[in-house]
Amino acid sequence: EADIYQTPRYLVIGTGKKITLECSQTMGHDKMYWYQQDPGMELHLIHYSYGVNSTEKGDLSSESTVSRIRTEHFPLTLESARPSHTSQYLCASSDTGQGARSPLHFGNGTRLTVT
Amino acid sequence: EDKVVQSPLSLVVHEGDTVTLNCSYEVTNFRSLLWYKQEKKAPTFLFMLTSSGIEKKSGRLSSILDKKELFSILNITATQTGDSAIYLCAVDSNYQLIWGAGTKLIIKP
Repeated sequence: EADIYQTPRYLVIGTGKKITLECSQTMGHDKMYWYQQDPGMELHLIHYSYGVNSTEKGDLSSESTVSRIRTEHFPLTLESARPSHTSQYLCASSDTGQGARSPLHFGNGTRLTVT
Repeated sequence: EDKVVQSPLSLVVHEGDTVTLNCSYEVTNFRSLLWYKQEKKAPTFLFMLTSSGIEKKSGRLSSILDKKELFSILNITATQTGDSAIYLCAVDSNYQLIWGAGTKLIIKP
């Protein structure tokens, strides 16, 4: 049973639309992440957060924004979707305070298609 | 530039075979290496390795790290069709995860 939830699972949307991908976790984890994954390619970090009101950009510029107003909620917004945004988006969380990085817990992903 | 390379990129074997997946890395500040299994949905955690030569084992899966030669292997013995998945390797370097492209493993009945 998943402790980290992403909605929607699938989304097909037209170019120029604004969309928000939802991610919530019930584990009380401080750290949350958004990754983009294309078939056969590495996961690329888009944004991450180490706690409430903390957000950072990752190594992939995807013209998206995130917010972290509550510990459990980390939504990703695309202001103007483009076909190049077509991909799978994975949300993840991890515990903090470990000596080495604690494992990530992933949501089931949102598969986005922009037409 | 930090990088993680997995090989092979894909592998097809028959049920009952043993497979070895490879992950090599070049990073500036190694902290740990992690293996994940990704089926259709979310990647699920398998192992975290921080020390050389200490095998981690879970059922038919095992993994070991060589920090001198900068690689890790993931072994799966007596493979089953349920082992079909993409196996991802990631290295924590300076608190950032560097991901490999994954090995797609297909187990034929």
